[in-house]
Amino acid sequence: DAKTTQPTSMDCAEGRAANLPCNHSTISGNEYVYWYRQIHSQGPQYIIHGLKNNETNEMASLIITEDRKSSTLILPHATLRDTAVYYCIVRGGSSNTGKLIFGQGTTLQVKP
Amino acid sequence: DTEVTQTPKHLVMGMTNKKSLKCEQHMGHRAMYWYKQKAKKPPELMFVYSYEKLSINESVPSRFSPECPNSSLLNLHLHALQPEDSALYLCASTLNRYSGNTIYFGEGSWLTVV
Repeated sequence: DAKTTQPTSMDCAEGRAANLPCNHSTISGNEYVYWYRQIHSQGPQYIIHGLKNNETNEMASLIITEDRKSSTLILPHATLRDTAVYYCIVRGGSSNTGKLIFGQGTTLQVKP
Repeated sequence: DTEVTQTPKHLVMGMTNKKSLKCEQHMGHRAMYWYKQKAKKPPELMFVYSYEKLSINESVPSRFSPECPNSSLLNLHLHALQPEDSALYLCASTLNRYSGNTIYFGEGSWLTVV
């Protein structure tokens, strides 16, 4: 599975959009980009995933560049409850074992 | 409903004890996972079950013994653990191992080995 690179930490003002970047320059054509978040002491929460097209759901939007080498998770109106560790994960590949391998993630701090 | 239920939420066990963690889902999912998470670290994959068969063991010590008695239930049997095995143990499930299917996590079981 391709490796991802995320900033270690980010801050965002409450009510503003939070834009979390992720680089996955070695992604292959059949690999998906997944985003999860983990609030302290809870299980990881699924946010969104995509293959090639941009995706939107009630939680967030996922913007994938045309070359698929990077993506951005957008939380449109961040609240204090969005403070968490956000994981960008590339999943799939030729072995297609279905593994979900977590990297270090980005700690997002939403401030009043 | 995307619920994965893990019990117990907290477990304290001695190094000579035998205990089990339980995970249950009723979503018709046929792939189930165990992860281990130490403090301030990301979750690490331990085991993957697919259609009730063990398909991936990430070189986990034999003191951890997984079991999948049916398609809804996943157990992790613990025996002769060490204090360094204290961690949050997470269970997850998905429809099957196809990478486009979302994996859903439970809230975890906190294990303390004394």
